[in-house]
Amino acid sequence: DVQLVESGGGLVQPGGSLRLACAASGLSVSSSYMSWIRQAPGKGLEWVSIIYSGGTTYYTASVKGRFTISRDKSNNSVYLQMDSLRIEDTAVYHCAREARLDNGMDVWGPGTTVTVSS
Amino acid sequence: QSVLTQPPSASGTPGQSVAISCSGSTSNIGINYVHWYRRLPGTAPQLLIYRNDQRPSGVPDRFSGSKSGTSASLAISGLRSEDEADYYCAAWDDNLSGGVFGGGTKLTVL
Repeated sequence: DVQLVESGGGLVQPGGSLRLACAASGLSVSSSYMSWIRQAPGKGLEWVSIIYSGGTTYYTASVKGRFTISRDKSNNSVYLQMDSLRIEDTAVYHCAREARLDNGMDVWGPGTTVTVSS
Repeated sequence: QSVLTQPPSASGTPGQSVAISCSGSTSNIGINYVHWYRRLPGTAPQLLIYRNDQRPSGVPDRFSGSKSGTSASLAISGLRSEDEADYYCAAWDDNLSGGVFGGGTKLTVL
């Protein structure tokens, strides 16, 4: 079975940090294009970041300089290090896979909830 | 304000057809592929259409996509009650160097 499972969410104060993990099975994160997408309460989907199979990374403007996407081939996992968290980062965070560049995200994880609040 | 513009809601009766529009610009839809996702309540998003008009295996041919210029459209024929969901368009934006989603369209089957 092809599967993605996120973990690492939780409650954190503004200015704090969290590291989200996305464990993959049935697919290789190193040969895929792996993204993080979030959905804030009552809002739509928002693209956050992507790491290409070649290692290139991109971020949405609001998280540049605060979030870092990475991957570990040995764990077949993708990570999102989130620093300087803001209240507006509160959302369910999903990881998703594209098998080829710009091919649509065909595998999604169920998501992990991040709540930034004092 | 989303980079891609979708109507917030759409509706139809069982058996009818409905179309959901997605408007962008020359830096996203105009030069890149459009993908469509469906989010059923309580579930992760599902890829419905990729690369403008391609259906992943398992997606019924009731769902079709098209693109013209800086706009795209998702058409659903033979509406069923289980089609009630939120639908999102998405594309890469060359100016932003990032992915962008539409604001989502809530489809109601009356």
